Amino acid sequence: GAVVSQHPSWVICKSGTSVKIECRSLDFQATTMFWYRQFPKQSLMLMATSNEGSKATYEQGVEKDKFLINHASLTLSTLTVTSAHPEDSSFYICSASKSGFYEQYFGPGTRLTVT
Amino acid sequence: KNEVEQSPQNLTAQEGEFITINCSYSVGISALHWLQQHPGGGIVSLFMLSSGKKKHGRLIATINIQEKHSSLHITASHPRDSAVYICAGAGGGADGLTFGKGTHLIIQP
Repeated sequence: GAVVSQHPSWVICKSGTSVKIECRSLDFQATTMFWYRQFPKQSLMLMATSNEGSKATYEQGVEKDKFLINHASLTLSTLTVTSAHPEDSSFYICSASKSGFYEQYFGPGTRLTVT
Repeated sequence: KNEVEQSPQNLTAQEGEFITINCSYSVGISALHWLQQHPGGGIVSLFMLSSGKKKHGRLIATINIQEKHSSLHITASHPRDSAVYICAGAGGGADGLTFGKGTHLIIQP
């Protein structure tokens, strides 16, 4: 149990376009979903926390107008990278929590390359 | 601000060796995750600990709350254990995790 999927697993897009990444909890309801970003050879960094039906909370330094997060249901959160630039190329990982407490279940990640 | 420090950063060992990876964390953290990340990036959650010890197959994770220290052990290591192992601290409530920098483990046959 506690499976989280992400789609797509990888995407290549042109500079200036927008890309949407989906995160789904397949067999449980996720009250809270987290979005992380990982640059090459670096640790994961929390970008934002989203709770179903409310606005996401962004970490300092993460532009909320650039990284749009929608947690429309208890099983789906989306991250849209708007007007993507090459510096947005990264590995994006979501995790989902059943109760908003310690336990988090990770998606497989999405590798974004902006050309 | 929560902090997590991991050691060593890199570890190369021979197949069969006993492996230990260490993690120290700051006061605000009340639970520790151990994660495994293979080349290609996908993350697997190995353990979540708030006290004591957990075992799964050849993997053992311990946590000492007083010393704010956790260890991940791999017994009878195998080349397929080669990966980046990450400890991550949870502060409780609806908080994201604070990640250590990871330990890049290579097990040579």
